[in-house]
Amino acid sequence: GAVVSQHPSRVICKSGTSVKIECRSLDFQATTMFWYRQFPKQSLMLMATSNEGSKATYEQGVEKDKFLINHASLTLSTLTVTSAHPEDSSFYICSAFPGGSYRAGGNQPQHFGDGTRLSIL
Amino acid sequence: KQEVTQIPAALSVPEGENLVLNCSFTDSAIYNLQWFRQDPGKGLTSLLLIQSSQREQTSGRLNASLDKSSGRSTLYIAASQPGDSATYLCAAYFKAAGNKLTFGGGTRVLVKP
Repeated sequence: GAVVSQHPSRVICKSGTSVKIECRSLDFQATTMFWYRQFPKQSLMLMATSNEGSKATYEQGVEKDKFLINHASLTLSTLTVTSAHPEDSSFYICSAFPGGSYRAGGNQPQHFGDGTRLSIL
Repeated sequence: KQEVTQIPAALSVPEGENLVLNCSFTDSAIYNLQWFRQDPGKGLTSLLLIQSSQREQTSGRLNASLDKSSGRSTLYIAASQPGDSATYLCAAYFKAAGNKLTFGGGTRVLVKP
């Protein structure tokens, strides 16, 4: 089945550090990937939609200069949290949709990575 | 506004009992609805996807129903096991929301041996 790998699984770093998180589709190509953020005991909130070869689409309230997204290939999207602060501590999860350009209404589910636990001291 | 709600937020049952998890959504114009499982500190595993034209989907001990007119979906897990303990999330693709999945808050399930 479709596998999405997310790396690293956990990061602990000092305030002011920039952190890069990778999301890879291992056995399929993904034109579109999604980045979510999840606070403890809360649900997932979509941060941005990552499109291969073009700029990401950010949700309202998400700072694009804070959360840099690069989708340089059909199997890799990266999220960089720039100058991270304690309030950026959270669980970040990516997902990918197998096949070509994503269309809502398809019968293919999104496939999720295992998430990255980011802790900023 | 398109929203997904899951009540209760937490549920505890003895092993062997059937689980019934509820999901409601505010807009019946959906493409599909998905149920996911999330273990603590982990990502999401897709359980079932129901297209808007379908009434239910089944996989093993899992059965999910969809009633668009009432804005409800129900996930049934038969003969629960301790290994079923996890958080279950439902998510809808609202037509008005484009290609975005809208998640419910989840139901944390504990199956006691």
